[in-house]
Amino acid sequence: GAGVSQTPSNKVTEKGKYVELRCDPISGHTALYWYRQSLGQGPEFLIYFQGTGAADDSGLPNDRFFAVRPEGSVSTLKIQRTERGDSAVYLCASSSPRGQQKGYNEQFFGPGTRLTVL
Amino acid sequence: RKEVEQDPGPFNVPEGATVAFNCTYSNSASQSFFWYRQDCRKEPKLLMSVYSSGNEDGRFTAQLNRASQYISLLIRDSKLSDSATYLCVVKAAGNKLTFGGGTRVLVKP
Repeated sequence: GAGVSQTPSNKVTEKGKYVELRCDPISGHTALYWYRQSLGQGPEFLIYFQGTGAADDSGLPNDRFFAVRPEGSVSTLKIQRTERGDSAVYLCASSSPRGQQKGYNEQFFGPGTRLTVL
Repeated sequence: RKEVEQDPGPFNVPEGATVAFNCTYSNSASQSFFWYRQDCRKEPKLLMSVYSSGNEDGRFTAQLNRASQYISLLIRDSKLSDSATYLCVVKAAGNKLTFGGGTRVLVKP
């Protein structure tokens, strides 16, 4: 079946520009997560949605970062006034409500969007 | 100090040998523990959960020591296809996963 998809796969932008990264979760998954992975590091949590609402946005680094999930499915991560330090792979993951009820939180990751800020 | 710490490696392992590595975590409220595998330029994928009693999945054995706050992974009879980065992951209350920096394993013929 279809996994998590992310577009674009690569995005090159200039410092100061605005970017949007899109995530399509696995059908039926109510939870959606955004992570950021810098070179040589593990993924770092940004934000988690349960349905349409952000249940935990404690990982967003500053107010230049914003994410939405208006219909509880597709999510968009928005970055304003990009900086060179924003360059990273942005990973999206989703998980099933059945998994959460078991206390087993398998998150299925998409292939990521590689963002390069020049 | 990072919440989850791992030796970055690389661990160079002859094919067929056994390799073991661990990670330490600082949050004593951590409730769930996992090992994820990440191939070069690919997304992380769940390898196995880690239970207090220890658990095995084929050639992979995971152990959890809550008192010392470390988790281990052992790979027996290493295959070339085991070459990857292994990410130690912990979860406290809520659904946020906290990842270590990963341990790189290179299995060589």
